[in-house]
Parts: sequence; structure tokens; C-alpha cells
Amino acid sequence: NAGVTQTPKFQVLKTGQSMTLQCAQDMNHNSMYWYRQDPGMGLRLIYYSASEGTTDKGEVPNGYNVSRLNKREFSLRLESAAPSQTSVYFCASSPVTGNTIYFGEGSWLTVV
Amino acid sequence: GDSVTQMEGPVTLSEEAFLTINCTYTATGYPSLFWYVQYPGEGLQLLLKATKADDKGSNKGFEATYRKETTSFHLEKGSVQVSDSAVYFCALSELQAGTALIFGKGTTLSVSS
Repeated sequence: NAGVTQTPKFQVLKTGQSMTLQCAQDMNHNSMYWYRQDPGMGLRLIYYSASEGTTDKGEVPNGYNVSRLNKREFSLRLESAAPSQTSVYFCASSPVTGNTIYFGEGSWLTVV
Repeated sequence: GDSVTQMEGPVTLSEEAFLTINCTYTATGYPSLFWYVQYPGEGLQLLLKATKADDKGSNKGFEATYRKETTSFHLEKGSVQVSDSAVYFCALSELQAGTALIFGKGTTLSVSS
């Protein structure tokens, strides 16, 4: 049971470098999400995609871009990484927006 | 806008103690309410949920009742185990409005034997 799969699991970047976090789900869900988790801040929504072909900003979208490649895949791109983007990133999906969401295992990103 | 407030931790208990983690919410409509649990090094997993007032969600000995009059969804367990040590997140969503889940900041529970 794969569920939500995200890669890479760990990454160290230098300030100014770019990278893409990949996410795929095999549950035929319409909605997908990217959250970041920081100590004392809980989970904050970066971007979400209610359905294939649509994307919307969440609470903390600055410095990120997303692509809903198809129904299964939703990627998160950091164009020019900053130390403030050091965080744990979680991809998630749900049948429709607002329903129970299912999380991937997380990607630990450090920007030095 | 919608928001979730949960008690700050950490909460430290001995095995078999009673657990309560408080959660209150602010919402404009009729939200669904959730509790998620995160074990060390893992993603979040749904623990329980309730979709309308007076509903009680339950799972693995945990339970929470949707109280519209007090805008609360407190998590309880009668007898905690060491294996319950984790971070617990309260969350809400408004399905009809199509909003993504909004999470509280999380409460760390540590249970000792």
C-alpha cells in the first residue's frame, strides 16, 4: 500500500540553489497539498490543488512554485533556496478538498 | 478566518493515566473536526474525526466529541500507554467551502512506564 510517496526524504541545499520535491499518490484522489512543519508552528499550507489543472496558494506560498503534473503527481519547487526554508515538507492528498487527508512520510530539507 | 487552538505541551504522563488534550476552534461555517497523530520520524495519520455537532469520533481508545456550543473537540483517553507517545494535532476543514485542513500547532505527549 504505497499511498502518498514523496522524494527525496532528505536533502541539503546551499543558499540560492534550486530543487524540486516530488509527490505521487495512488489513491485516485482529486486534491493534493504541500505543507511545511516547523517547531512550534504546527503544519502550514504552502499550496494545494483541488483538482487536476488547478493550483491555489495557501498560508505560506512565497518562495515556492507548484505543478500538478497529472492527477497522481504534484511537485513543489524551490527556485532559490533560503535558510528560512529549512523545514520538513509533507505532501498529502484527499478525495476532495476538505475531506480527510492522507500524508506522505515527509521530506527533511536543510538550507545552509 | 478559520483557526484551531490547542493546548501547548509537552504533556507528560505516567502509564495508565487519564489524558485530555484541549482543542477549540473558530469557523465561519460548519466544519469537520479531526485529530491526527504523528509518531517520531513519520508523517501524520488520522486518529479520529467528527463531521457534525454532537458526533463522537473514536479510535484506539481515544475519543473526542464535537461540541458546537463550546466550539471544542477535546481529545481524551482513559488509560495511556508508552506507545501513545507522539505529537497530536487538532484540525478543521469546511468541506462545503472546499477549504484545505487547518491545523493547530500540535501537542507533544510523553508517557513513561
